[in-house]
Amino acid sequence: AQTVTQSQPEMSVQEAETVTLSCTYDTSESDYYLFWYKQPPSRQMILVIRQEAYKQQNATENRFSVNFQKAAKSFSLKISDSQLGDAAMYFCAYRSAWISSGSARQLTFGSGTQLTVLP
Amino acid sequence: GAGVSQSPRYKVAKRGQDVALRCDPISGHVSLFWYQQALGQGPEFLTYFQNEAQLDKSGLPSDRFFAERPEGSVSTLKIQRTQQEDSAVYLCASSLTGQGRNQPQHFGDGTRLSIL
Repeated sequence: AQTVTQSQPEMSVQEAETVTLSCTYDTSESDYYLFWYKQPPSRQMILVIRQEAYKQQNATENRFSVNFQKAAKSFSLKISDSQLGDAAMYFCAYRSAWISSGSARQLTFGSGTQLTVLP
Repeated sequence: GAGVSQSPRYKVAKRGQDVALRCDPISGHVSLFWYQQALGQGPEFLTYFQNEAQLDKSGLPSDRFFAERPEGSVSTLKIQRTQQEDSAVYLCASSLTGQGRNQPQHFGDGTRLSIL
């Protein structure tokens, strides 16, 4: 079974500064997807960024980028130029790329990091 | 609507009562997932549907939990004889197909269930 670990329950960053959220995972699979989701108090999970394991290039979406280290099974999220609206709970998630008959495409989530942005 | 819709947004029930939570996925989405999110934790998988077929229910914590999607669109998660440990946010997600290599899951706002 896959596991996802987020070792930072809380992080804070000054507005306009850069912050990095850590995530490690454990899997025996070679092909999979990794995601970062943002969950504000409204509770809706919002996809921030995703990475396909077979791609060596780190994914980037505007101010959000990842540092994907496949051998180390590490997948950190960097938020540049932090904004007040970035404050939320951030979840790292894993999903297998190989779907056998009858099995699901469920996400396995970490326990989350609460990000506070200080004005 | 354009997104995944869940109702009710909040549900309070007394221990022992039965509850039903509804999920309206994005129109045309084949795959539907239910997750349970305890306070301060990440969501945990409960069950998965591909159209009307429940292909995986390995995450359902007990036989008090039951989910259905009879016509392949709206889904209902039912919890019988609720207990305090059932208190959580229940999230529903849908994705376009069950075959694509990289179909993102779109989440609803969840139902916060409180058992007194």
